[in-house]
Amino acid sequence: RKEVEQDPGPFNVPEGATVAFNCTYSNSASQSFFWYRQDCRKEPKLLMSVYSSGNEDGRFTAQLNRASQYISLLIRDSKLSDSATYLCVVRGSTLGRLYFGRGTQLTVWP
Amino acid sequence: NAGVTQTPKFRVLKTGQSMTLLCAQDMNHEYMYWYRQDPGMGLRLIHYSVGEGTTAKGEVPDGYNVSRLKKQNFLLGLESAAPSQTSVYFCASSYAGIQETQYFGPGTRLLVL
Repeated sequence: RKEVEQDPGPFNVPEGATVAFNCTYSNSASQSFFWYRQDCRKEPKLLMSVYSSGNEDGRFTAQLNRASQYISLLIRDSKLSDSATYLCVVRGSTLGRLYFGRGTQLTVWP
Repeated sequence: NAGVTQTPKFRVLKTGQSMTLLCAQDMNHEYMYWYRQDPGMGLRLIHYSVGEGTTAKGEVPDGYNVSRLKKQNFLLGLESAAPSQTSVYFCASSYAGIQETQYFGPGTRLLVL
């Protein structure tokens, strides 16, 4: 079983829509959680960290449910520039190791 | 401040040839990583280093070797390239710490014929 599982999509939504991505992780000892964004043919970049209490950054809201080992990302009022692949990332218990989901592809259309 | 740089950006190899990919970071990060990314597979860790002079195996280390002789550089070597090593290779670095972000280089596209 993979460490991190994501729905690969693709998700195709109109501008202004709200879209949610989900992710599950297998190691209950995982310590930190993140969402990264990757544009086509570019490197991944940190979008936001995910905290147990949930956190928000503008139109983006991330939530963590440790009991269910589940992470989510909500994007409100989608923009064309949100089109990208969103990677769910988990830091395991091994020093320095991150585990990446396969990514969920989002396309926002006008 | 260039961040993380990778050399070369693109390379074509024949089966059996060798090459070295260079990663350099100017952020004084302790940790450095090499990943490969294939369609439908996501990012997979090849090798990583938690400090100068130390390396460790990741998920897919076979066919690769690494060295971290200087803190700012992390080299990935392919001794005898195979078509299965055709991929996009990303280097990343981070400070030590649980919440520290990994910063990625722009990637090296490798085609093995």
